[in-house]
Amino acid sequence: GAGVSQTPSNKVTEKGKYVELRCDPISGHTALYWYRQSLGQGPEFLIYFQGTGAADDSGLPNDRFFAVRPEGSVSTLKIQRTERGDSAVYLCASRESASTDTQYFGPGTRLTVL
Amino acid sequence: AQTVTQSQPEMSVQEAETVTLSCTYDTSESNYYLFWYKQPPSRQMILVIRQEAYKQQNATENRFSVNFQKAAKSFSLKISDSQLGDTAMYFCAFMNPLRELIFGTGTLLAVQP
Repeated sequence: GAGVSQTPSNKVTEKGKYVELRCDPISGHTALYWYRQSLGQGPEFLIYFQGTGAADDSGLPNDRFFAVRPEGSVSTLKIQRTERGDSAVYLCASRESASTDTQYFGPGTRLTVL
Repeated sequence: AQTVTQSQPEMSVQEAETVTLSCTYDTSESNYYLFWYKQPPSRQMILVIRQEAYKQQNATENRFSVNFQKAAKSFSLKISDSQLGDTAMYFCAFMNPLRELIFGTGTLLAVQP
């Protein structure tokens, strides 16, 4: 079966623009996570969905960041008025259910804000 | 708050030899999970091994094993018979009660031929 996929693989944008990053989790996985990985660092938690709802969005750095998962499958991370400091790799992971613990990661989207 | 510390930014090992990567963590939780992930240049995070804190027995997966010392809050990864394909960034991670992962800063492992 297919793993977690993320599109686009790379995104270059200009400061102030709006971007959307997409994540397709493993089919049937109910939990979905977004992480941000800056250069030379480990991934940092952004938001966690259980089904369609955000169970924890405490990792979102500010109100320019927003994520949705309207049908409990695909998720979109949206960044408004991008800043150069938003440049990073954005990783998505999915987990099968509330009773399992292993997260499976996608290949990430590298966002570069010029 | 939970924290994860990897004190070795880089490590090098000769092919076929054994290497140990260190990880310490801090938490007030009594039951939790710990993980080692591998991240090659392709960026894909690949699960290497996982350990449940309530299990005293150290987890093993083929050439990979852990030394889990709960009282010391230490979780090191041992790679035996190192292979060139093991070259990657290795991240130690702690899973909090919401099953969110908290990562260390990583150790870059280079396997030399």
